[in-house]
This record gives sequence, structure tokens and C-alpha cells, in this order.
Amino acid sequence: GQQLNQSPQSMFIQEGEDVSMNCTSSSIFNTWLWYKQDPGEGPVLLIALYKAGELTSNGRLTAQFGITRKDSFLNISASIPSDVGIYFCAGQLGSGNQFYFGTGTSLTVIP
Amino acid sequence: GAVVSQHPSWVICKSGTSVKIECRSLDFQATTMFWYRQFPKQSLMLMATSNEGSKATYEQGVEKDKFLINHASLTLSTLTVTSAHPEDSSFYICSASEPSYNEQFFGPGTRLTVL
Repeated sequence: GQQLNQSPQSMFIQEGEDVSMNCTSSSIFNTWLWYKQDPGEGPVLLIALYKAGELTSNGRLTAQFGITRKDSFLNISASIPSDVGIYFCAGQLGSGNQFYFGTGTSLTVIP
Repeated sequence: GAVVSQHPSWVICKSGTSVKIECRSLDFQATTMFWYRQFPKQSLMLMATSNEGSKATYEQGVEKDKFLINHASLTLSTLTVTSAHPEDSSFYICSASEPSYNEQFFGPGTRLTVL
């Protein structure tokens, strides 16, 4: 399957700090999704991106679809304790329905 | 967003028994559903793609006779783990997709423990 490299693997930050994570691939995707997963639960969709260069916000979260279509970025501003969890990127090739998932970024926010 | 439910959320069974997990799309028709397996602190591993009214497509290395998938309607897909063994213990998550959304919506997951 496709390989999506997500970094960093884990982050420990102070409450109030901004967070940045990214996802890269050797393949070109036409859709990027960002999910957050809390322990013992299924992933919850945060942001969906459909066009190269697209920049989309959802509250304190902002994600961008890379111009090359091979990467995407997620930023979280002014982090709070409830931001703790694992964040996954997912990319879709062409017209198929299958999404390929990144390896995840574990975020810990220290109050 | 669309809602996907999964049942049961937690199941404990004896080795050798079979377990059925249901995945339902509650407010939309899902032409495609996906079944994932997730080990602790790891990413989601796609097991199979389930299309309504046709046979599931299994990923390489996934035994189709062990993990039976049925997608009998546009709102229900089931995964049956047959003759379960302790190594099958894992977190199983389904997702549902409707082409016009171009997104996947996940169920809450099912924790399977095989004794």
C-alpha cells in the first residue's frame, strides 16, 4: 500500500503553545483528511482538503493541502489539555475510495 | 458529520469461538465500508473494503476465511472473526464512505479480547 510519513511521531508541549505536524508521501493525492483519535475510540474527522494549496480552518485548527499534492500540514494554535490525542492524516489517490493513513502523531499537552 | 455506529463496543470471548461485529451508517447510505484493525499506539491497518451487494476486497495478508465480511445493505456491514485466537485480540474499527462526501466516517471501534 501507499506510505504516508507523518511527523513528528510524538509531541510534548505546554498549554498555550502552537502545534505543527505534517504528512508527506511519494504519491500525489487528490484528497487529504485529518483525524483525531482519543484512547479507545474511533477517529473523528477534523478537516477535509480537496484542492492543492487549499487552506482550511476549523476553530483553532488549520490545515493545508500542499501545492505539490504530496503533503499536508496541520496546525493547532493555543493548545489546550483536551487537544491531547493521536492525530492521523489520510490521503486518497485518484477516484478510488480507499484512504491511506499516516503513522500518527501523539500529542501531549502539559497544563 | 455523518454518524457511524459499531456494536458491540467491547467483547470478550473464548478461543475457538466466533465473534460478529456490526457497523451501521445511521444517517446516510454507505456504498462502501472499510474494516480496520489497530494495535496499541499504532496506525490503522486496512483489512478489507466492503461494497454493498458484492464480495469484499481483502488486503494482502488478511485471511478472508477467517475474517468474514458481509455488506448486505447500504447501512450495514458485519465482520465475523471465526475461530478466534488470542492473537486476534485487537481494536477493530469500521468506517463508511458515500461517494458524494469523499470522506470517511469512523465508528467508535470494538475492543476484542480473546482468552
